[in-house]
Amino acid sequence: QKEVEQDPGPLSVPEGAIVSLNCTYSNSAFQYFMWYRQYSRKGPELLMYTYSSGNKEDGRFTAQVDKSSKYISLFIRDSQPSDSATYLCAMGTGFQKLVFGTGTRLLVSP
Amino acid sequence: DGGITQSPKYLFRKEGQNVTLSCEQNLNHDAMYWYRQDPGQGLRLIYYSQIVNDFQKGDIAEGYSVSREKKESFPLTVTSAQKNPTAFYLCASSPDRNTEAFFGQGTRLTVV
Repeated sequence: QKEVEQDPGPLSVPEGAIVSLNCTYSNSAFQYFMWYRQYSRKGPELLMYTYSSGNKEDGRFTAQVDKSSKYISLFIRDSQPSDSATYLCAMGTGFQKLVFGTGTRLLVSP
Repeated sequence: DGGITQSPKYLFRKEGQNVTLSCEQNLNHDAMYWYRQDPGQGLRLIYYSQIVNDFQKGDIAEGYSVSREKKESFPLTVTSAQKNPTAFYLCASSPDRNTEAFFGQGTRLTVV
């Protein structure tokens, strides 16, 4: 069993939809949780970072962490075609040794 | 314009040759990292450095070597001992070990 599980997709939605991206993990010691967005042939871009259970909102993006269920989510409201990318979750006990999910490919159609 | 610069963007090498990937940052970050990305797999840590002249092995260091002689530079050498070198290599940096990392644009290495 992988330490971090993430559905590779692709996840296809129409423009304006609410998108839910998820990761599960097995290591209860993980304290830091991040979401990165990666466009094709580019480096990942940090979107959200959370430390504790609960929700964190930034514009159209909401990151949610449920440590009791070992489950994290990223919600995207009013999705746009420019949101089409691969979304990577990452987590760890410290920043220097993160464990990454495989990424979920999101396609937002106009 | 601050950032992390990886060069070249694409690199082709013959099997058995060593190759060095460049990573330079002008963000004054102490920590730097090298990751490898393969299709269907998450990013995997090759090496990381928290300070000049110091570096530690990550999860998949075999067949790779690094140096950290300057704060702004963290080159990665892919040696002939690396069994499957073809991959997308990503360099990252962070202000310190307790802060999230920011990535460069990557180098796609193809060994033929």
